[in-house]
Amino acid sequence: QSALTQPRSVSGSPGQSVTISCTGTSSDVGGYNYVSWYQQHPGKAPKLMIYDVTKRPSGVPDRFSGSKSGNTASLTISGLQAEDEADYYCCSYAGSYTWVFGGGTKLTVL
Amino acid sequence: EVQLVESGGGLVQPGGSLRLSCAASGFTFSSYWMAWVRQAPGKGLEWVANIKQDGGEKYYVDSVKGRFTISRDNAKNSLYLQMNTLRAEDTALYYCARWVAQSLTVWGQGTLVTVSS
Repeated sequence: QSALTQPRSVSGSPGQSVTISCTGTSSDVGGYNYVSWYQQHPGKAPKLMIYDVTKRPSGVPDRFSGSKSGNTASLTISGLQAEDEADYYCCSYAGSYTWVFGGGTKLTVL
Repeated sequence: EVQLVESGGGLVQPGGSLRLSCAASGFTFSSYWMAWVRQAPGKGLEWVANIKQDGGEKYYVDSVKGRFTISRDNAKNSLYLQMNTLRAEDTALYYCARWVAQSLTVWGQGTLVTVSS
């Protein structure tokens, strides 16, 4: 149950696109299409942004999209806005009814 | 409004016990898997445990197996986490969350557990 690997920080200017990666192994990210992404603003509870690799819950802007290639999942945010500045966490099913999160990525909107 | 409200956190000595509660409202609690997720101060998220709708299946992260027990009372719309033999590394904000389709769709605001002498 090792944590998934995410970059500690990413940044972008308003209107630009950024991509946050989430690297695991064939036992978690690569083995299942059960990757989810969460946004967390300081002092707030996390919010689900993407589930099942690519699906967006109702109410999440279509500027947020997810994908996966091999053992790496990605969250792309296009048309960056100031309110997107937050921490982002990926999470994957890891088999045997266990789940593992990534270490988190701090997104800064310049 | 769908809502989850945690309670029961506090300061406890190493080796001590604590029972967290989560009160659910605004949805049919008995229809959903539920989970506990924790976040150590300044750190990332960690899945702790989850439980099936009828309480018949429970799963835990390795680091809490044998020490923590997740349970629920569907009649009271409540989720619980009994934590025994607490360690300093269990210090964290504990979130209760609704589990749907392998993801956490609704989160509470968390309750802080501090393990220290």
